Amino acid sequence: GAGVSQSPSNKVTEKGKDVELRCDPISGHTALYWYRQSLGQGLEFLIYFQGNSAPDKSGLPSDRFSAERTGGSVSTLTIQRTQQEDSAVYLCATKPGHHTGELFFGEGSRLTVL
Amino acid sequence: EDQVTQSPEALRLQEGESSSLNCSYTVSGLRGLFWYRQDPGKGPEFLFTLYSAGEEKEKERLKATLTKKESFLHITAPKPEDSATYLCAVQAGPGGGADGLTFGKGTHLIIQP
Repeated sequence: GAGVSQSPSNKVTEKGKDVELRCDPISGHTALYWYRQSLGQGLEFLIYFQGNSAPDKSGLPSDRFSAERTGGSVSTLTIQRTQQEDSAVYLCATKPGHHTGELFFGEGSRLTVL
Repeated sequence: EDQVTQSPEALRLQEGESSSLNCSYTVSGLRGLFWYRQDPGKGPEFLFTLYSAGEEKEKERLKATLTKKESFLHITAPKPEDSATYLCAVQAGPGGGADGLTFGKGTHLIIQP
């Protein structure tokens, strides 16, 4: 498809387990964001990738969270030793470059930590 | 620190009852202001970009306006399908965290038939 694709759409895990969330961006989009959205809350910035530059990790809430982007395309957000407070929808968004703020969002991955 | 405040947090209108949503911002060097619509269980969908004070954009029943301190999203004669959460974002610069993008918490709009 032509849009941003995220998987899995839903993930239920037990406290303490590690999870990986995947984002396939729109082809040619050099910028990629991860956001977290808790129930009824706004978007919480996590991490930003732009081309080959070092990622902006300033939004990651703890060292249990990490993300990588391979070959400037697919990105994976990893949460280690999950906690119940990690339960949220994780949204990926991409854009063509840094000269615009128009983001294209995926449908999100809903994470539930039991 | 860049700040974006949206009001009201929630708004319930009758079908056909026009109103406005507000997005106030405090940033250094506005590069753009963006409106998004988010339906339940979906990612936000881009609506408008505004770059300078006095600029207006329209799409169907929605019109976005911009001043030096705030933006309004005017909804004229809304229909139930306009029910959604409307998010405002600003991009300030140069650069900065998240490439200067800051989102507001959104206004949850409900249009009753």
